[in-house]
Amino acid sequence: DIQMTQSPSSLSASVGDRVTITCRASQDIYIYLAWYQQKPGAVPKLLIYGASTLQPGVPSRFSGSGSGSDFTLTISSLQPEDVATYYCQKHGNAPHTFGQGTKLEI
Amino acid sequence: EVQVVESGGGLEQPGRSLRLSCTTSGFTFGDFGVGWFRQAPGKGLEWVGFITGGAHGGTTEYAAPVKGRFTISRDDSKSTAYLQMNSLKTDDTAVYYCAAPYSYASRSCVWGQGALVTVSS
Repeated sequence: DIQMTQSPSSLSASVGDRVTITCRASQDIYIYLAWYQQKPGAVPKLLIYGASTLQPGVPSRFSGSGSGSDFTLTISSLQPEDVATYYCQKHGNAPHTFGQGTKLEI
Repeated sequence: EVQVVESGGGLEQPGRSLRLSCTTSGFTFGDFGVGWFRQAPGKGLEWVGFITGGAHGGTTEYAAPVKGRFTISRDDSKSTAYLQMNSLKTDDTAVYYCAAPYSYASRSCVWGQGALVTVSS
């Protein structure tokens, strides 16, 4: 099975900072990658699918990039409401594994 | 607007069975798959499995921890998918989510609000 590794596991940044979270697949997964945001006690929210397509309604400060085995989620200017845990998830052949999550704090 | 609603959660004893439903609206259900996920208390997200839709609909895939115990099915006439959970273990305690439309390719989808399943004697 393909393993998904996120880094860092946690990070602290300031309002207005540019924040980058990475996700690495143990094999090529083309662009079959999604990013989710989960705030405490809430349902996971889809941010990005197809590695770089922004889900409608998601603020444009969020962006995704990458293909193959290396992917990045970027928040261009961190806002207080962005405090959450972020997950990547592979699609393609099963299993559709999630990364272990990145906890983002202000 | 796509809507997804889970139902059927609750408390069940180890070894027993439980069935969750995932009722959808706002898209052509028969053309698309449905994914199932779970999150144990204080843990990360875990993919459980999914069922395909479309011309070759009904193909199922499962995560290793649930394979052979859980079964995903669908009723296109009701725009509903099901997660039949047999031989429940305490480790199956989690909030279960479904998402649709879902497929092998990464695509836009909507998650339900979740259903809590507690397995305890």
